Amino acid sequence: GQQLNQSPQSMFIQEGEDVSMNCTSSSIFNTWLWYKQDPGEGPVLLIALYKAGELTSNGRLTAQFGITRKDSFLNISASIPSDVGIYFCAGLDRGSTLGRLYFGRGTQLTVWP
Amino acid sequence: DTGVSQNPRHKITKRGQNVTFRCDPISEHNRLYWYRQTLGQGPEFLTYFQNEAQLEKSRLLSDRFSAERPKGSFSTLEIQRTEQGDSAMYLCASSWTVEETQYFGPGTRLLVL
Repeated sequence: GQQLNQSPQSMFIQEGEDVSMNCTSSSIFNTWLWYKQDPGEGPVLLIALYKAGELTSNGRLTAQFGITRKDSFLNISASIPSDVGIYFCAGLDRGSTLGRLYFGRGTQLTVWP
Repeated sequence: DTGVSQNPRHKITKRGQNVTFRCDPISEHNRLYWYRQTLGQGPEFLTYFQNEAQLEKSRLLSDRFSAERPKGSFSTLEIQRTEQGDSAMYLCASSWTVEETQYFGPGTRLLVL
């Protein structure tokens, strides 16, 4: 199956700093999704990307769908303490897997006040 | 609240017992997915329904696992003769079509003693 490599595995930053994380795949995806998960909760959708090259923002979050369709990145600007959590990328291949999402292993973000 | 709901949120059981989880998707969504998440990993696909039809099952779904969606609305996931390796977070997600993003419920955390 498809393998998603997400990096970095963890980040420790100070409040106000910008954050960047990325995800690469061995296969092409038609859709990239970014989720945030708090302890004991389900993933919450942050941003969805549907076209190669697409750049989409949601408040302080910006994500891009790579031109090769094998990668995506997520930026968080001016981080705040409530940004703490695990961020997951997920890829969707609409053509062959009937909507099955493939997830990375997550980036654990810690924000120091 | 019109999001995906899951019950129970937590379940502790003894090895060898059967457990059943329920998922209520967003009401207008016709696609429903089950994922399993273990510590330090991203969610992994288990199975998928379109309306009441189960269209895809992962190799992770052993014969001890069965999922149903009898009326195309809520779904149940049953694990028979639970094993300690079944301990995980079981997540449900729903979407309207395969092109649409998947929205996750809060999950059911299973601990098998």
